[in-house]
Amino acid sequence: EIVLTQSPGTLSLSPGERATLSCRASQSVSSSYLAWYQQKPGQAPRLLIYGASSRATGIPDRFSGSGSGTDFTLTISRLEPEDFAVYYCQQYGSSTGTFGQGTKVEIK
Amino acid sequence: QVQLVQSGAEVKKPGASVKVSCKASGYTFTSYGISWVRQAPGQGLEWMGWISAYNGNTNYAQKLQGRVTMTTDTSTSTAYMELRSLRSDDTAVYYCAREGTYSSGWYDYWGQGTLVTVSS
Repeated sequence: EIVLTQSPGTLSLSPGERATLSCRASQSVSSSYLAWYQQKPGQAPRLLIYGASSRATGIPDRFSGSGSGTDFTLTISRLEPEDFAVYYCQQYGSSTGTFGQGTKVEIK
Repeated sequence: QVQLVQSGAEVKKPGASVKVSCKASGYTFTSYGISWVRQAPGQGLEWMGWISAYNGNTNYAQKLQGRVTMTTDTSTSTAYMELRSLRSDDTAVYYCAREGTYSSGWYDYWGQGTLVTVSS
């Protein structure tokens, strides 16, 4: 099973700042099968990025994804108040999916 | 519009079974797979497995093998997840999620979640 490790665990930033979230895989992941989600309290996850770098429908362009192999990054260029939430990376390989443990982006 | 509507909250005793439903609408049910994801209180997301709504093929997380069964009813566009031999650490919100494209492994629509509480 591929293990995804996200860092940092918590990111304390102010609105308008840039957020850089990391997702490292224990073995190589096909970029086609790497996604990022946002989750707010009491809500289901929301797809942000699929295929490592493609924005999902309706996702603002301040969200971008990059990376390949074992290292992937989600960047939020300028944080808006509604962006403070928990973010998860997820991979699907060898017919099994796994999620990272999440990064909480909190208001500083 | 695509919607996944899940069944209501359940309270079960240890050792019992639970079956959660996920009714899909707004798209061709058999053209996509459905996965189940759970989230224990205050914890992260855990992938449980996947089922093809086209042919019923399944893949399950290794840790749940033997306790979980995922099925679909194409006549009602409904997916089901049954978990047996429930333990207290199965207490979680259970989500169904539709794949973005067939076998893509990422999920663009999610159900509202079903809280399953396991307690004696």
